[in-house]
Amino acid sequence: GDSVTQMEGPVTLSEEAFLTINCTYTATGYPSLFWYVQYPGEGLQLLLKATKADDKGSNKGFEATYRKETTSFHLEKGSVQVSDSAVYFCALTRFGGSNYKLTFGKGTLLTVNP
Amino acid sequence: DGGITQSPKYLFRKEGQNVTLSCEQNLNHDAMYWYRQDPGQGLRLIYYSQIVNDFQKGDIAEGYSVSREKKESFPLTVTSAQKNPTAFYLCASSTSRGWGAFFGQGTRLTVV
Repeated sequence: GDSVTQMEGPVTLSEEAFLTINCTYTATGYPSLFWYVQYPGEGLQLLLKATKADDKGSNKGFEATYRKETTSFHLEKGSVQVSDSAVYFCALTRFGGSNYKLTFGKGTLLTVNP
Repeated sequence: DGGITQSPKYLFRKEGQNVTLSCEQNLNHDAMYWYRQDPGQGLRLIYYSQIVNDFQKGDIAEGYSVSREKKESFPLTVTSAQKNPTAFYLCASSTSRGWGAFFGQGTRLTVV
């Protein structure tokens, strides 16, 4: 079945540091890939997405590139802020058939210190 | 504004009681989902529905039930058969094209 593996946290960075959160996936066919962010006590918000190989999703300074050859979708940001402290989830879904459910990684807690 | 509304935000129940969590969306999405979130476990799918009057079990459906009588509504009942119901419950919806999902703010259920 489909699965998503992301780096375990927690990740602690200083403000303005470079961020990478690794994500790899296993899925048949051609999944769409997503990063979601969850702030404390809240639901998940879609951060960015990519629907085919070599697509780059970007939003709020975050980027991730769909790499089919390495089955990866790593999240990066050049300069993190305290307000980026949250849990980040990598996820996938596959088109086709009658199954549109999302499969999530376990999440990575990011803490950014001033 | 369009979105997904879960209510209540916090819910306390005694052990052995059934409890129903509400989820309403005005996004005109076909598909709706219920996830359970526990610390260190990520999100696990309980039930999902792609059209009215139809739903499928997810990975951890035991002890839960749902209905989908209206496109806008997908309530989740946590029954007394659920062995460990205390958790954070998230409802989501998406278009039928699977472009990712929109989430509600969650309901934190505590069973005492």
